[in-house]
Amino acid sequence: NAGVTQTPKFRVLKTGQSMTLLCAQDMNHEYMYWYRQDPGMGLRLIHYSVGEGTTAKGEVPDGYNVSRLKKQNFLLGLESAAPSQTSVYFCASSYWRDRAINTGELFFGEGSRLTVL
Amino acid sequence: GQSLEQPSEVTAVEGAIVQINCTYQTSGFYGLSWYQQHDGGAPTFLSYNALDGLEETGRFSSFLSRSDSYGYLLLQELQMKDSASYFCAVSGSGYALNFGKGTSLLVTP
Repeated sequence: NAGVTQTPKFRVLKTGQSMTLLCAQDMNHEYMYWYRQDPGMGLRLIHYSVGEGTTAKGEVPDGYNVSRLKKQNFLLGLESAAPSQTSVYFCASSYWRDRAINTGELFFGEGSRLTVL
Repeated sequence: GQSLEQPSEVTAVEGAIVQINCTYQTSGFYGLSWYQQHDGGAPTFLSYNALDGLEETGRFSSFLSRSDSYGYLLLQELQMKDSASYFCAVSGSGYALNFGKGTSLLVTP
């Protein structure tokens, strides 16, 4: 049981390049999330999905796009990377809505460390 | 919108008790969660309070007062391995958690 798996774990990009981060979960969770973590800023929500085919904006969505074509996968795309997007990106998943409210528990991946030069 | 306030750093001695406070402002509050994160690692879930009162899980306890928009995480019998960052998070709409900026706990011998 792998839980939440993120690929790649490390990536260096040049300004203007594009890339996609992949998140896969094998727990049959409905909800999936992308957060970014910067020093002193905590975890900030980029985008999230409440089910296959649905996505919604979080706190800091600009410069990112997402897709949830399959329930188990949540992709985060950077169309034109900028140095301000240098960060550690965490994907997370949780149970369907009622259980998510009842437990407040998110399951996190190990993170993807992105550097934009 | 939502906002959460927690101290940025706390230092405590091994074997002692430490309390990390969290105050929040949010609409549609459902509950307060706590997460632990060791350097460079994934955040891991510690506890969740949806109702007022104290929840105890081993050495860790979490408290919530909905009327005061306040909660805390209490760590007892501190161990060196408890040195980590601790985040409070609120579930507002129920669709996503919004996190505080985290409290860095240093446990000293």
